[in-house]
Amino acid sequence: DIQLTQSPSFLSASVGDRVTITCRASQGISSHLAWYQQKPGQAPKVLIYSAFSLQSGVPSRFSGSGSGTEFILTISSLQPEDSATYYCQQLNSYPLSFGGGTKVEIK
Amino acid sequence: EVQLVESGGGLVNPGGSLRLSCAASGFTFSSHTMNWVRQAPGKGLEWVSSIGASGLHIFYADSVRGRFTMSRDNAKNSVYLQINSLRAEDTAIYYCTRDQPFSSFDYWGQGTLVTVSS
Repeated sequence: DIQLTQSPSFLSASVGDRVTITCRASQGISSHLAWYQQKPGQAPKVLIYSAFSLQSGVPSRFSGSGSGTEFILTISSLQPEDSATYYCQQLNSYPLSFGGGTKVEIK
Repeated sequence: EVQLVESGGGLVNPGGSLRLSCAASGFTFSSHTMNWVRQAPGKGLEWVSSIGASGLHIFYADSVRGRFTMSRDNAKNSVYLQINSLRAEDTAIYYCTRDQPFSSFDYWGQGTLVTVSS
């Protein structure tokens, strides 16, 4: 089974900061990785699919990179509405799995 | 517009059963793998089960295999999750999602809450 380790689990940053979240897979998953944003009381929403493709309607300040075992979600200029929990997910093989999540707080 | 609407959640005693449903609309349902994902209160996301477009291929998380059964009815544009032998740790919001192969879960329902308690 493939485990995903996200870091950090929590981060606090100011509006306008560049923020990066890392997701490491226990074995290679090619580019079969997605990133989601979840706000309290809401269902998750996909931001990035296939490791680096921006989902339609998602602001361009979000970007994804990486392949194999290490992946990064970058928010180039943090906005107040980006306060949320972010999850990575591997879709390379069953059982599918999610990372543990990163809670992003705005200072 | 793609819509996924879950139903069937509720309060159930340990050892009990529930059948969750997810009604899909706005896309060619019979062309997509569908999934269930759950989230325990205050916890992260957990993949539960996936069913292929034809219904022939079904996958389960180890934590639910043997107790949960996923199925679909392409004539009714619906997927189901029969959950038996419920335990306290099954308490969660259960989300229905649409699959884009190897890519993402691109649409999510609003979720249905299952609470297991005596």
